[in-house]
Amino acid sequence: KQEVTQIPAALSVPEGENLVLNCSFTDSAIYNLQWFRQDPGKGLTSLLLIQSSQREQTSGRLNASLDKSSGRSTLYIAASQPGDSATYLCAITQGGSEKLVFGKGTKLTVNP
Amino acid sequence: NAGVTQTPKFQVLKTGQSMTLQCAQDMNHNSMYWYRQDPGMGLRLIYYSASEGTTDKGEVPNGYNVSRLNKREFSLRLESAAPSQTSVYFCASRNRALYGYTFGSGTRLTVV
Repeated sequence: KQEVTQIPAALSVPEGENLVLNCSFTDSAIYNLQWFRQDPGKGLTSLLLIQSSQREQTSGRLNASLDKSSGRSTLYIAASQPGDSATYLCAITQGGSEKLVFGKGTKLTVNP
Repeated sequence: NAGVTQTPKFQVLKTGQSMTLQCAQDMNHNSMYWYRQDPGMGLRLIYYSASEGTTDKGEVPNGYNVSRLNKREFSLRLESAAPSQTSVYFCASRNRALYGYTFGSGTRLTVV
């Protein structure tokens, strides 16, 4: 059974700092991995999608990497801003499954 | 704006009452999903529809029913609401397994 873990559960950083959020998974037979952002009381916004054959994806100040062999993905946020404060979730789709398996998320606070 | 639309955004029910959560997407996606999000439990799949005319159970289907009305619409029905169904419900869709999921903004349901 696939399990997805995100550490730390919460992270507080000063504005301007570069930071890394971690996601680990137990079964390397994934189809793709998706990073989402969730603001309090809101829905999930897709940030980046990495296919199993890819190593990384970039969008603006965000860079996500994938290492299937080690069961890890990282989300790198450059030059963090207070507007980046949110909960970040990683989720995995496995081949032959319709289900997204989510981690519990990392709550990020960027202090001005 | 293109995307996944959920109604209502908020609802309070009394135990035993019934209601239907509505979801519609305008991206011509084949697959649609219902998730619930609970503190400490993360997001869990309730039901999904891989294509028009089909529905299947997810992790936590008990107490719910679904209808894929057409390609655009996928509804979730609570026949006899229970306090344990107090949660935030998210609808999602995707076109093919190769692509990521798009989520709606959620329905916050309280059963008293």
